[in-house]
Amino acid sequence: DAKTTQPNSMESNEEEPVHLPCNHSTISGTDYIHWYRQLPSQGPEYVIHGLTSNVNNRMASLAIAEDRKSSTLILHRATLRDAAVYYCILFHPYSGGGADGLTFGKGTHLIIQP
Amino acid sequence: DAGVTQSPTHLIKTRGQQVTLRCSPKSGHDTVSWYQQALGQGPQFIFQYYEEEERQRGNFPDRFSGHQFPNYSSELNVNALLLGDSALYLCASSLARKGGSPLHFGNGTRLTVT
Repeated sequence: DAKTTQPNSMESNEEEPVHLPCNHSTISGTDYIHWYRQLPSQGPEYVIHGLTSNVNNRMASLAIAEDRKSSTLILHRATLRDAAVYYCILFHPYSGGGADGLTFGKGTHLIIQP
Repeated sequence: DAGVTQSPTHLIKTRGQQVTLRCSPKSGHDTVSWYQQALGQGPQFIFQYYEEEERQRGNFPDRFSGHQFPNYSSELNVNALLLGDSALYLCASSLARKGGSPLHFGNGTRLTVT
């Protein structure tokens, strides 16, 4: 079962910042927070991930609450190409060296208005 | 640098038949995970292969089986197909290490069971 909660959909205007929230109140100390997005007819695309500290990359920023029970994906300047379903997932590193499977929820359908 | 490739892209089978889907991981990756995505839903984890062994498995029946080859490529086999097996099957690869290595997804195989 998915262990994250996200709004079903959000709408934003082009060239404005977008803040996508995610709640994960049952997160454990070793869980990483991953974000992926999926465009129609494509596989999910990795966006960003973090453990405790805020993270930035060329696609987005990830803000993690101090208690780690929630996080926010920030798209600084949305474009029409950012319209997609965004998934927030808890990633459990596997002590044996592999990695546990990711459990996806339904994600947030982000709509960008021109 | 080739990403994750899956074949075939589309497939139509009849109920009761068997199907084999193939996946080549991203160059340098050694772990392959398989997911099933029904229309309008998030991907559901089937199983993961590392070092040619199944390391983790989701809530799928034994009709779903897999294999990983020495070159890290993988196959997903589904026996006795049911109408409900119609879905997009996604393969994802990653590098096995501690620390939440991101998954890289292919664009999937669309399986239709009639």
